[in-house]
Amino acid sequence: GENVEQHPSTLSVQEGDSAVIKCTYSDSASNYFPWYKQELGKGPQLIIDIRSNVGEKKDQRIAVTLNKTAKHFSLHITETQPEDSAVYFCAASPGETGNQFYFGTGTSLTVIP
Amino acid sequence: DVKVTQSSRYLVKRTGEKVFLECVQDMDHENMFWYRQDPGLGLRLIYFSYDVKMKEKGDIPEGYSVSREKKERFSLILESASTNQTSMYLCASSSSQGSVGYTFGSGTRLTVV
Repeated sequence: GENVEQHPSTLSVQEGDSAVIKCTYSDSASNYFPWYKQELGKGPQLIIDIRSNVGEKKDQRIAVTLNKTAKHFSLHITETQPEDSAVYFCAASPGETGNQFYFGTGTSLTVIP
Repeated sequence: DVKVTQSSRYLVKRTGEKVFLECVQDMDHENMFWYRQDPGLGLRLIYFSYDVKMKEKGDIPEGYSVSREKKERFSLILESASTNQTSMYLCASSSSQGSVGYTFGSGTRLTVV
């Protein structure tokens, strides 16, 4: 089955700096890659996603890049703010019926004011 | 606002008890999932369901069962709770119409004593 690895497990940045979280996947059939943000005491929420026919996608301060050849995808957060502090999960899906996702182990991001 | 609702936010149960965790979604989604979340291990899939009365084992089904009698409701059952089942349990749903991300509930933190 699919195996998703995520790094780093913890990340601290100064407010205003950029943060980058990286994931790798093993199954070349995976074609959908969502990113989730989990704030304390809440369930994960989808913040951005990318499909395998696209190399990069941006939404305001967040962007995701995908390198299909290397089986890498990354989340980039620019101009970080304290409210960006949360746990971030990447996931990969083969896009089959049911959309079963395989999650990374999470990155705890702390933005220091 | 569409949502996935988990019936309990916190639960404390005794070893050996039968425990029911309930999840209801109001989005008419076909697919529903139960994950457990543990520090350093990320989200691990317990069971999922593509349709009413259908269920599939995930990566860690041992000690758990599920029930899906209605499309909107997916129940996770711990037949005889053990201390190693102390965890955060997350329910999610998704549509089979196109490849889209999950919608998660807020989670149930279960403590087995």
